[in-house]
Amino acid sequence: EVQLVESGGGLVQPGGSLRLSCAASGFTFSSRAMNWVRQSPGKGLEWVSIISSSGGRTYHAASVTGRFTISRDNSKNTLYLQMNSLRVEDTAVYYCACEVTVGRAFDIWGQGTMLTVSS
Amino acid sequence: QSALTQPASLSGSPGQSITISCTGTSSDFAYNLVSWYQQYPGKAPRLIISDVTKRPPGVSDRFSGSKSGNTASLTISGLHPEDEADYYCSSYKDNTILYVFGSGTKVTVL
Repeated sequence: EVQLVESGGGLVQPGGSLRLSCAASGFTFSSRAMNWVRQSPGKGLEWVSIISSSGGRTYHAASVTGRFTISRDNSKNTLYLQMNSLRVEDTAVYYCACEVTVGRAFDIWGQGTMLTVSS
Repeated sequence: QSALTQPASLSGSPGQSITISCTGTSSDFAYNLVSWYQQYPGKAPRLIISDVTKRPPGVSDRFSGSKSGNTASLTISGLHPEDEADYYCSSYKDNTILYVFGSGTKVTVL
């Protein structure tokens, strides 16, 4: 079964750090670009970060550049998001999402993990 | 980055057709790589249209996509009760901003 399972969410104080993980199974993880997409409570979707299949190229949304770092370990079929200097406005459900093999869309999504940034 | 503009809500009766618009700028749609996602409350989004018009395997042919100028559209033909959900468009922008999502449309089946 094709699956993405996020973990690592929780409650963090403003200025704190947290690392999210996303475990992949059922497909060739190492051949697919991976993304993080977030959704604030009651709000729409926001693309956060992307990493190439090899991990050699990464890009981040302007709202998180300099604070968040996406990475992957293809030997462990796992995607990560290191989040530093967290702000209240980073509160959201964080989804990992797999980019399609041809084109630009997300065809596999995890169930999401909730991050709450609050004092 | 600014979100693409979608109507906040649309409704229709079973069997009717509705069209959800997704409006942006010319730079938002420069690559003609528009996708649409369906999301039920508390669930992850699901890809229903990619590359403006392509349906992934398993997606009903009642869903169709199109684009004209700076507006992309998703049409749901013959509404079913299970089509009641939130719908988001997305576009691949460029090598800096990468992806932008629409503001989302809540579809209600009356």
